[in-house]
Amino acid sequence: NAGVTQTPKFQVLKTGQSMTLQCAQDMNHNSMYWYRQDPGMGLRLIYYSASEGTTDKGEVPNGYNVSRLNKREFSLRLESAAPSQTSVYFCASRHLSREETQYFGPGTRLLVL
Amino acid sequence: GQQVMQIPQYQHVQEGEDFTTYCNSSTTLSNIQWYKQRPGGHPVFLIQLVKSGEVKKQKRLTFQFGEAKKNSSLHITATQTTDVGTYFCAGPRGDYKLSFGAGTTVTVRA
Repeated sequence: NAGVTQTPKFQVLKTGQSMTLQCAQDMNHNSMYWYRQDPGMGLRLIYYSASEGTTDKGEVPNGYNVSRLNKREFSLRLESAAPSQTSVYFCASRHLSREETQYFGPGTRLLVL
Repeated sequence: GQQVMQIPQYQHVQEGEDFTTYCNSSTTLSNIQWYKQRPGGHPVFLIQLVKSGEVKKQKRLTFQFGEAKKNSSLHITATQTTDVGTYFCAGPRGDYKLSFGAGTTVTVRA
């Protein structure tokens, strides 16, 4: 099992450009999450999908959109990138069971110039 | 809303020494989780504590959940260079989400 995979690993964008970050999990997990990580601020939730067919806003959703394509895949889209969106983006997934552990992907490092 | 605070933000440790990092929640938690992120890596689940006053050990790491289920600690004995990284605590927020602390970043002097 690959676990949680993310593409791309690195990306440089110019202000105003758009891009989609891809995430897939092969653990048959129900819930998926997108976080951003900035120095000194821990992990902040952007959007999440509790189950296939649903998506909800997290703490910092402005400037982002998401799509839960199927049970495996959850993408994050930046429609018009801004320098403030320079960050490391992590996707995570979780099986809806008694254990609430989240499993993280390797991350996408995004620089917006 | 619920907040999870961690102290200290940075911990510089001499190899072989012990240290403790603390996590405090503004509300009672049903459980608390700890994650470790190595430099350049991604968060990896370490452990989950559920019961009031629970203590769990993983080799040199000791995790404790407070009696009131509002605080937790991670104690590392005989710190090694392999302990370098950022340690996060996280508590549930609603049915699906986790609220992460800002993390304690550990560096080790050889």
